[in-house]
Amino acid sequence: EPEVTQTPSHQVTQMGQEVILRCVPISNHLYFYWYRQILGQKVEFLVSFYNNEISEKSEIFDDQFSVERPDGSNFTLKIRSTKLEDSAMYFCASSLTRAFYGYTFGSGTRLTVV
Amino acid sequence: GQQLNQSPQSMFIQEGEDVSMNCTSSSIFNTWLWYKQEPGEGPVLLIALYKAGELTSNGRLTAQFGITRKDSFLNISASIPSDVGIYFCAGQENFGNEKLTFGTGTRLTIIP
Repeated sequence: EPEVTQTPSHQVTQMGQEVILRCVPISNHLYFYWYRQILGQKVEFLVSFYNNEISEKSEIFDDQFSVERPDGSNFTLKIRSTKLEDSAMYFCASSLTRAFYGYTFGSGTRLTVV
Repeated sequence: GQQLNQSPQSMFIQEGEDVSMNCTSSSIFNTWLWYKQEPGEGPVLLIALYKAGELTSNGRLTAQFGITRKDSFLNISASIPSDVGIYFCAGQENFGNEKLTFGTGTRLTIIP
């Protein structure tokens, strides 16, 4: 079964450092998403990406965040200057069509900011 | 923003028992989805619902899209140990929206 692959599985970074979280969506999917989940809380939408541009973003996705699809297979989330409150699981997801049919999520990257 | 409240927050049941959980919203959703999350993993889609009143099954799982479009329930029959996890409902407000709004989750624990 096709998978969404995320790397690394766990990243520890110092406050103020830049991090890049990487994702390889399912190859024929066209819509890409990032979500985050703070420990013990619900999954929250960050951003959706289609046709090489952001199609929707949440209030959480401020100027510190950016996304990129640098080539035909990777989809990245960059946090420019990490804060302690950015510590969370970050999930990448992809779908062939819009959210209507649900997404396929990756296993996540646990980001710990110290 | 939109809020989805799930109940109960957690459940402790014996293997073989049936499980019922639900999800309510103060506003209308056009699509309801149920996901399961196991430790260290991303959510996995269980069931998707698209029409008010729709009742859909996937093996031992049954879910319904409420008539008012403001609620949904998920039932699991004859629970087994691998049903352990956190169950999230998620809703899509409009068909043109990309984002899903997730519920607060129901943690299911099976007592042997």
